[in-house]
Amino acid sequence: KAGVTQTPRYLIKTRGQQVTLSCSPISGHRSVSWYQQTPGQGLQFLFEYFSETQRNKGNFPGRFSGRQFSNSRSEMNVSTLELGDSALYLCASSLSGIHEQFFGPGTRLTVL
Amino acid sequence: QQQVKQSPQSLIVQKGGIPIINCAYENTAFDYFPWYQQFPGKGPALLIAIRPDVSEKKEGRFTISFNKSAKQFSLHIMDSQPGDSATYFCAATSGGSQGNLIFGKGTKLSVKP
Repeated sequence: KAGVTQTPRYLIKTRGQQVTLSCSPISGHRSVSWYQQTPGQGLQFLFEYFSETQRNKGNFPGRFSGRQFSNSRSEMNVSTLELGDSALYLCASSLSGIHEQFFGPGTRLTVL
Repeated sequence: QQQVKQSPQSLIVQKGGIPIINCAYENTAFDYFPWYQQFPGKGPALLIAIRPDVSEKKEGRFTISFNKSAKQFSLHIMDSQPGDSATYFCAATSGGSQGNLIFGKGTKLSVKP
């Protein structure tokens, strides 16, 4: 069974731009969660989608948004990028929720 | 209230030693406590998880000890190996599978041969 895949793996953007990250969950998994990982703040929950609906949201500004498609693939968008958005963005999938999540390798976003 | 405090930040042990990583929490509503292992360049991988009605859980060389009254839980790695060198994160959540995970800041473990 293929694992969680994330594209692209690396991304460099400049301040003010927007970016879209993609996540393909494990086949059959309907829950997709997104996390931001930085050296200073560690792993922080962004949001979780289940069957195309956002079920839960972390404490991030509205510049961070996401969506999930009918095939469970998910995208995360960050608008008006700031230097502080530089981070590893991780996607995790599971059958039904945040228990027993499987993480992808992440997308390393650098904002210059 | 929502924090999970993890210690130590880093840990060095000799091969065969038993590293112990500790986590503490305040929110008594937390009801699921997983541990994740992360190697450089990889996403975290679920190692083992425990619920508060159990005081200890073992999976292979990994053991979680849980102290509900003290609101603390810890990870022990028996007979540690150089391949266990990684960053370990504890986490906690409430609200069943629809909650959100609160992670500790991580412990970087190095096992020397």
